[in-house]
Amino acid sequence: DQQVKQNSPSLSVQEGRISILNCDYTNSMFDYFLWYKKYPAEGPTFLISISSIKDKNEDGRFTVFLNKSAKHLSLHIVPSQPGDSAVYFCAASIMYSGGGADGLTFGKGTHLIIQP
Amino acid sequence: EAQVTQNPRYLITVTGKKLTVTCSQNMNHEYMSWYRQDPGLGLRQIYYSMNVEVTDKGDVPEGYKVSRKEKRNFPLILESPSPNQTSLYFCASSATGSPFQQYFGPGTRLTVT
Repeated sequence: DQQVKQNSPSLSVQEGRISILNCDYTNSMFDYFLWYKKYPAEGPTFLISISSIKDKNEDGRFTVFLNKSAKHLSLHIVPSQPGDSAVYFCAASIMYSGGGADGLTFGKGTHLIIQP
Repeated sequence: EAQVTQNPRYLITVTGKKLTVTCSQNMNHEYMSWYRQDPGLGLRQIYYSMNVEVTDKGDVPEGYKVSRKEKRNFPLILESPSPNQTSLYFCASSATGSPFQQYFGPGTRLTVT
């Protein structure tokens, strides 16, 4: 049973427009969420994260929104640039009260293609 | 330069021939982890280690072994590889204080024939 779902395998967006990548989760114990970006032939790189105590986190062109009641999060990229073309993975984890965390559970990824 | 290194980057082997993929990080991170990436399945965690001599199973540990004798190294061992272990493998590390912001290695593409 997949606990983190990215239902769009690919997404094509015009340069300059907004890219919205979606992610759903089923495990209500998850309380920390992340987005990773991956280029071909490279390892994933951390992009942005959000704790369950927040509903929004922004970092430059990237904003992550969390809707706990719907168990849904989304990554907004504005404006989209050619260098944003990559596979984006949503990930979730459970924080321990004493510090540390469980391992990351990843979604299958969404391939974002930015068209000129 | 802060990095996670993996060796080899590419490996073709035959069924049953034991192999080890090495992983090393130079950031003094406590947490290290191994993932495999397969088409249509995303990244799945194989094993992780919270610190030296502490390892735990991830989601897909069958057929793999790990050890964490030193903080910087976390080798992945396939005692008897099988074709279904053909995959792209990533090692990752992070500081205990920020266990989520994992730094990933460049990947090892393994083919088992």
